Amino acid sequence: QKEVEQDPGPLSVPEGAIVSLNCTYSNSAFQYFMWYRQYSRKGPELLMYTYSSGNKEDGRFTAQVDKSSKYISLFIRDSQPSDSATYLCAMSRGFQKLVFGTGTRLLVSP
Amino acid sequence: DAGVTQSPTHLIKTRGQHVTLRCSPISGHKSVSWYQQVLGQGPQFIFQYYEKEERGRGNFPDRFSARQFPNYSSELNVNALLLGDSALYLCASRGTGRDTEAFFGQGTRLTVV
Repeated sequence: QKEVEQDPGPLSVPEGAIVSLNCTYSNSAFQYFMWYRQYSRKGPELLMYTYSSGNKEDGRFTAQVDKSSKYISLFIRDSQPSDSATYLCAMSRGFQKLVFGTGTRLLVSP
Repeated sequence: DAGVTQSPTHLIKTRGQHVTLRCSPISGHKSVSWYQQVLGQGPQFIFQYYEKEERGRGNFPDRFSARQFPNYSSELNVNALLLGDSALYLCASRGTGRDTEAFFGQGTRLTVV
């Protein structure tokens, strides 16, 4: 079993839709949770960063962490075609290595 | 401020050759980590360096090695290249303290033929 599970998709939505992306994990020691956006053949771009449980909002993006369920989510409101990319969840125990999900490919159609 | 910079951007090598990849972290960041990402997968951890010392090593063969210099830049070396080493190699720069977001460079795409 992988430490971090993420549905690879693809997830196809129309422009303007609310997108929900999720990851589950097995290691209860994870404290830091991140979401990255990765365009084809580019390096991952940090979107959201959360320490421990709770919600965090930044513009159209909302990240949620539920440590009791070992479940994290990223919501994208008013999705745009430019949001089409692969979204990676990542988490770490303290300052240690990041453990990534496989990434979910999102396609937003005009 | 400059972000994380990696060089070269693309590289083509022949099986059995050696390769050196370079990374400069964000100014003020003392931690550099290396990741390998193959197509369709999430990045896999290779090494972490902090203050010029190795702080973590992933499940990669001894053909992979790295080091960090006094200016906190880093090199990843891979010897005896195999076709399976073809991947996007990513460098991550991370601060210390409470805000420990990890920022990535654009990566080096290595193709082994």
